Amino acid sequence: RKEVEQDPGPFNVPEGATVAFNCTYSNSASQSFFWYRQDCRKEPKLLMSVYSSGNEDGRFTAQLNRASQYISLLIRDSKLSDSATYLCVFSGSGNTGKLIFGQGTTLQVKP
Amino acid sequence: DGGITQSPKYLFRKEGQNVTLSCEQNLNHDAMYWYRQDPGQGLRLIYYSQIVNDFQKGDIAEGYSVSREKKESFPLTVTSAQKNPTAFYLCASSPLAGVRRDEQFFGPGTRLTVL
Repeated sequence: RKEVEQDPGPFNVPEGATVAFNCTYSNSASQSFFWYRQDCRKEPKLLMSVYSSGNEDGRFTAQLNRASQYISLLIRDSKLSDSATYLCVFSGSGNTGKLIFGQGTTLQVKP
Repeated sequence: DGGITQSPKYLFRKEGQNVTLSCEQNLNHDAMYWYRQDPGQGLRLIYYSQIVNDFQKGDIAEGYSVSREKKESFPLTVTSAQKNPTAFYLCASSPLAGVRRDEQFFGPGTRLTVL
């Protein structure tokens, strides 16, 4: 099983749509989970951390399912500016601070 | 403003040359990382450092070298031994302490092209 699996997409959705991404991970010892956003030819930027209880930031909702070892990101009322690649990220084993990055899911929001 | 800077933004190298990429942070973070990203692929870890004067190999360290003489600085040297160095290089840092210990913040990256 790969360390992390993400559907690369692309997801093409109209403005105002709701879209969801899932990501599975194989390391049951991971403690920290994140979604990063990466625009074309730019550096990744932290979108939100993912907590066991689920968390919401405006139009974005992230959830963690430890039993099934996946995290999800829900984007409501999509905007053109949401077009980007979304990276699923989780911590490795131990206290090294190392993160494992998925290859990303590309979202294209169209008018 | 606190942040991470990388220079240069673009770098062109002839085959057989060593080049050094700069990474500086003023976030007072303990840990620093170097990644490589190839088109359509995820980030792969080259080297990381949790403390001054100490660093560890990542998943693809061959052909690269680093140093960590100061907390703020973590330069990466791409040597002539690296067979396919053309890529987007990203530097990151994280605090390694507190509730946000694992959150990594990235510099703007350096695009290296071997001619």
